[in-house]
Amino acid sequence: AQSVTQLDSHVSVSEGTPVLLRCNYSSSYSPSLFWYVQHPNKGLQLLLKYTSAATLVKGINGFEAEFKKSETSFHLTKPSAHMSDAAEYFCVVSDSTAGRRALTFGSGTRLQVQP
Amino acid sequence: NAGVTQTPKFRVLKTGQSMTLLCAQDMNHEYMYWYRQDPGMGLRLIHYSVGEGTTAKGEVPDGYNVSRLKKQNFLLGLESAAPSQTSVYFCASSPRLGKGETQYFGPGTRLLVL
Repeated sequence: AQSVTQLDSHVSVSEGTPVLLRCNYSSSYSPSLFWYVQHPNKGLQLLLKYTSAATLVKGINGFEAEFKKSETSFHLTKPSAHMSDAAEYFCVVSDSTAGRRALTFGSGTRLQVQP
Repeated sequence: NAGVTQTPKFRVLKTGQSMTLLCAQDMNHEYMYWYRQDPGMGLRLIHYSVGEGTTAKGEVPDGYNVSRLKKQNFLLGLESAAPSQTSVYFCASSPRLGKGETQYFGPGTRLLVL
């Protein structure tokens, strides 16, 4: 079975400082991993995804994540936070054993950006 | 190109009432999904469809029914609403079925059951 743990439910940073959102996963097979972002009262938007190619994945808006198999982690980072980054972020895993071919979501990390 | 749209945006129901949530996509995607989002729990899959005329159960299907009569539409029905079904409902679609496939989400429907 696959599962995802987002280690922080809430992260607060100052504008211009680095962002780190932590995600650990569990999967029996080689998974695909995603980060989605949800702005208030909006749907989810894909930030980036890992599908067994390069382990360092670059996404939109300056975000990137590194797949580390030995640590079963897929942390999301950004060098410099912007006010518009304030949102909820979901780490998501998908592997070939999921018969229903769906995604397993983490519980989310709310990012607050202080001016 | 509107992507994935959901109707209505917000609804209040009384316990025992029924309603249907409509999801529409204009990307010609084969696969469609219904999720519910509850505080602190991420999104959980209710039902999904792998093509017109097909449906299948997800992780939390009880109390819901779905239909996919047209490729572009996926309906979620609540026959007898319960307060436990108060949630935000998201529809998604994807062009293919596979672990690396991106799902495209609608804006959500907020449902309050009193």
